[in-house]
Parts: sequence; C-alpha cells; structure tokens
Amino acid sequence: SQTIHQWPATLVQPVGSPLSLECTVEGTSNPNLYWYRQAAGRGLQLLFYSVGIGQISSEVPQNLSASRPQDRQFILSSKKLLLSDSGFYLCAWSVLRVYGYTFGSGTRLTVV
Amino acid sequence: GENVEQHPSTLSVQEGDSAVIKCTYSDSASNYFPWYKQELGKGPQLIIDIRSNVGEKKDQRIAVTLNKTAKHFSLHITETQPEDSAVYFCAARGSTLGRLYFGRGTQLTVWP
Repeated sequence: SQTIHQWPATLVQPVGSPLSLECTVEGTSNPNLYWYRQAAGRGLQLLFYSVGIGQISSEVPQNLSASRPQDRQFILSSKKLLLSDSGFYLCAWSVLRVYGYTFGSGTRLTVV
Repeated sequence: GENVEQHPSTLSVQEGDSAVIKCTYSDSASNYFPWYKQELGKGPQLIIDIRSNVGEKKDQRIAVTLNKTAKHFSLHITETQPEDSAVYFCAARGSTLGRLYFGRGTQLTVWP
C-alpha cells in the first residue's frame, strides 16, 4: 500500500536560519507531489507542485524553494527563514487524474 | 483555473442534528469532487468523494450530492457526534494536470 512520510513533526527555528523539510512516498511510482501551507489553521495554500523529477512549479513567489531529487522525494527549503514562514506545512501526493490527494501528517514550523 | 467557494466558514450543531456544507465550482470541465476532514494538528484525510457521472453517494452517516448544472456540491452529515468536530474541506479537480482546487474550509463544532 502507498504511504507518505513527512518529517520532522515539529520544528522551532530562529529567524534567518535555513530550513529543510522532507517528504517521501512509498508504494507508487511517478506521483504528483505537492507542498501546502496553513498559516492560520484553516486554508490550504499551495506552495509548489511537481509532476516529475526536477520539475517544480511555484504557485506563490516567496522565501521558499522546492526540489525533487528522486521520484518519490520532495524537499521544501529556505536559505533564511522569516517570521512569516511560520505555519503548518503539508506534503501530499496523487496519481495523475485518477484519485484525490493523500496528505502527510504535517510539520508545525515556528520561526522565533 | 478552477475557483471553489465553500460555505459556511463555521458551523455549530447539537449532537444528533444534521450538518450541511456547500461548495460551488467554476470550471464545468471539473470531474472529481473529494471532501477532506482535518482534525487538529493532523493532515487532511479523505472522507468521501464523488465523480461527475454520479449525483449522490453515501457512506454510513456521510453523503455527498452533486449538481453539475448548477455547479455545486454538498456534504451532509447526519446524526452528528462530537468526534465529527473538525475542519472540512471541499475540492474540485480541474482540467489542468489533475490538480485539486480547495475551498477555504468549514470549522464544524458538534456540542454534546
């Protein structure tokens, strides 16, 4: 069966520090991968999505970047965190045009 | 792209009552409509979905209806229980790359 792993679960980082959040998927090949953020515990803001290795589309220009070095690995990064980067970050995957998304358990990031 | 509107943003009901959440979409080519439940501190979980060739789908206390002509779909929860309290998201799959477009969420609170 397919599973999605996201870590860490919680993270407290100082302003100006770098960030790396990792997401991996098991049990499927060539998934679409997504990074979302929830800033106020409600709306899902799409940050990045990827349809293949090295293919990244950005939805919102900001202080973050994403990479997909392997088929089932998706990484969210920042060189210098801002206070406004605090939030709940969710990774998700889907099989193209077939089913909905499966979300990971999320990372609660607090920038202090 | 697709635009999904969700109402209400908050909903409070007494245990045992029914709850209804409504969504509208803009892209007539959208063909898949999932509903997600997000409990506090967790990732959204798919609870029910419906495809454009079906008008209604039920799963125990949960049902979803779809009106393609009017471009709206609804989630119905009967005999609500306190554990139904969560944020619910509707979504529509647009015609581009199978991407999902989410509503802004509804905070459902069920009072015992």
